[in-house]
Amino acid sequence: GDSVTQMEGPVTLSEEAFLTINCTYTATGYPSLFWYVQYPGEGLQLLLKATKADDKGSNKGFEATYRKETTSFHLEKGSVQVSDSAVYFCALSHQGGSEKLVFGKGTKLTVNP
Amino acid sequence: GAVVSQHPSRVICKSGTSVKIECRSLDFQATTMFWYRQFPKQSLMLMATSNEGSKATYEQGVEKDKFLINHASLTLSTLTVTSAHPEDSSFYICSAPRRTGELFFGEGSRLTVL
Repeated sequence: GDSVTQMEGPVTLSEEAFLTINCTYTATGYPSLFWYVQYPGEGLQLLLKATKADDKGSNKGFEATYRKETTSFHLEKGSVQVSDSAVYFCALSHQGGSEKLVFGKGTKLTVNP
Repeated sequence: GAVVSQHPSRVICKSGTSVKIECRSLDFQATTMFWYRQFPKQSLMLMATSNEGSKATYEQGVEKDKFLINHASLTLSTLTVTSAHPEDSSFYICSAPRRTGELFFGEGSRLTVL
C-alpha cells in the first residue's frame, strides 16, 4: 500500500539557518503530494502541494519539488524564523487534495532565536 | 481563525468508560468528515469517513463497534470511543473538506485512558 517516510525529528535550528526535511513516498500511479504544518495548539494547515512530477509547491518561503525519479518531496526553506517552529507532515493523496490522505510521522521543528 | 473545531482538546478517563469527541465545521457545511488517529511517533492513520445522514465508512482494521461515528448534521460529527482501554489512548484528529476542495483540520483531541 501507499506510504510516506519523512525524516525523524526533532530538528532544532538557529534563526536564519537553512532547513531541509526529507520526505519519500511509495505509491502506485501518480499521487498528489503535500506538506502540512501544525503550529502549537492549532489544527493541521496545508503549507504547499504539488500534483504532478517536477511541479514545485511553494508558500511562506518554503518549497518542495515533486521528484518522481527519486519518489521524493523534500521540504526546504532558505532562512527559518522562530515562527516556523511547528510539526511538519508530508502526505500523499490519489484524490487531488482532500479526502484520503496518507501521512508521514511528522517532524517537529524548533527554531531558536 | 479555526474553521474546524474539536472538543475536548484533552480528556482523561477511566478504563471501561466511553468518551465522545466532537468535530464541528464552523463556517461551512460538510457532508463528509474524516477521523484520524495518531499514536506517539507514528503517522496519522485514517480511521473512518463520516457521512452526513448515513453510516460511516471504516478503514480496514478499525472496529466500528468500538469507535462509533455519528454525523447528525452538516456541521457536526462525533466520535465515541466505547469501553475505552489504555491502548485506545491516542491523539484523534478530524478534518472536513469545503466544497472548494480545501481540507481543514481540527486541533486534535488527546485521549488518555487510565
